[in-house]
Amino acid sequence: GENVEQHPSTLSVQEGDSAVIKCTYSDSASNYFPWYKQELGKRPQLIIDIRSNVGEKKDQRIAVTLNKTAKHFSLHITETQPEDSAVYFCASFDSGTYKYIFGTGTRLKVLA
Amino acid sequence: NAGVTQTPKFQVLKTGQSMTLQCAQDMNHEYMSWYRQDPGMGLRLIHYSVGAGITDQGEVPNGYNVSRSTTEDFPLRLLSAAPSQTSVYFCASSYSSVSSYEQYFGPGTRLTVT
Repeated sequence: GENVEQHPSTLSVQEGDSAVIKCTYSDSASNYFPWYKQELGKRPQLIIDIRSNVGEKKDQRIAVTLNKTAKHFSLHITETQPEDSAVYFCASFDSGTYKYIFGTGTRLKVLA
Repeated sequence: NAGVTQTPKFQVLKTGQSMTLQCAQDMNHEYMSWYRQDPGMGLRLIHYSVGAGITDQGEVPNGYNVSRSTTEDFPLRLLSAAPSQTSVYFCASSYSSVSSYEQYFGPGTRLTVT
């Protein structure tokens, strides 16, 4: 079946450094790629998303890049802060089948 | 707006019991879905619906039933609970139009099956 691979599973960075999380998807029909942040005991919340007709999108310290040919997309967080510590999930969505597939998550720890 | 609401927040069941997890949204979203979240496995899609009267299976549908009689409600039924169904369950909703696919999640239901 279709899947989304996400790496790394854990990531520790010093405050102020950058963090990069990478995902690879298998469904070539996917056309929407969201990133969710989940704090401990809370629900996932969307932090940024990108559509298949766009290569890069930025929102302040967060950016997402998409390489459709390689079926890769990545989350970039610059100038990390302790409040960025959470689990991050990538996902792919096919608007033809309405199916979301999530990656297995990355636990980011920002060390003060 | 209350957004997406789920009840109960916590539930303990014995093996073989049945129950219904409730999910409701007040944003007039066409698309609703159920996920289970297990450690190290991310969010896995159980069932989803693109509108009232329409449901379809996701990645892990076995042991679960859904129905969508109204736009607002999307209950998830566990027919005969098993320990393997111990998990955190999230309901989510979104518009199904090209203008926005952003999913809004409910607070979750933590289910333990003994």
